[in-house]
Amino acid sequence: EVQLVESGGGLVKPGGSLRLSCAASGFTFSSYSMIWVRQAPGKGLEWVSSISGRSSDIYYADSVKGRFTTSRDNAKSSLYLQMNSLRADDTAVYFCARVRGFSKFDPWGQGTLVTVSS
Amino acid sequence: QSALTQPASVSGSPGQSITISCTGTSSDIGGYKYVSWYQQHPGKAPKLIIYDVSNRPLGVSDRFSASKSGNTASLSISGLQAEDEAIYYCSSYTNNNISFGGGTRLTVL
Repeated sequence: EVQLVESGGGLVKPGGSLRLSCAASGFTFSSYSMIWVRQAPGKGLEWVSSISGRSSDIYYADSVKGRFTTSRDNAKSSLYLQMNSLRADDTAVYFCARVRGFSKFDPWGQGTLVTVSS
Repeated sequence: QSALTQPASVSGSPGQSITISCTGTSSDIGGYKYVSWYQQHPGKAPKLIIYDVSNRPLGVSDRFSASKSGNTASLSISGLQAEDEAIYYCSSYTNNNISFGGGTRLTVL
């Protein structure tokens, strides 16, 4: 069964850092691009970052560029999101998803909640 | 990155059909055949229901269909069922970025 499981969320103060993980199973992780998408409480989906299978191409939304870093460890079938200089508006559930082609984001993990508050 | 524009809400009675629009620009929806749609129930992760404008993944009901014309994509659901009540999001690839619509809440009356 193809599965993605996020972890690492929690409560952090403004200006702090947090590292999210996304553990993949059931497929050849290195063969797929992956994305991070977030959803603020009661709001819609917002793309955060994309990374190709071999990490040769990494892209970020303007809202997180320079503060967030996406990486992956194909040997561990894991995706990471290092979040620095966190702000209140980064509060959201963060999802990881597998990418096939350019528009097939499937499956998604269950999400992990990040709360930025003093 | 600008969000795609969706109506905030639509509704329909069981058995009826509804259509949700998603409007972008020539830089996203109009420029690529990479539009997808996601269904999200409360407290759950989004689920892919349409990819590459009009393709259904295995296991998704054929009551769901979609198309694109110019800068606007559309999702149609026929034979509405109670289980279709959810929020629907469109998405488009655009120049190494991804845009999502604001979401449309479907209420089955």
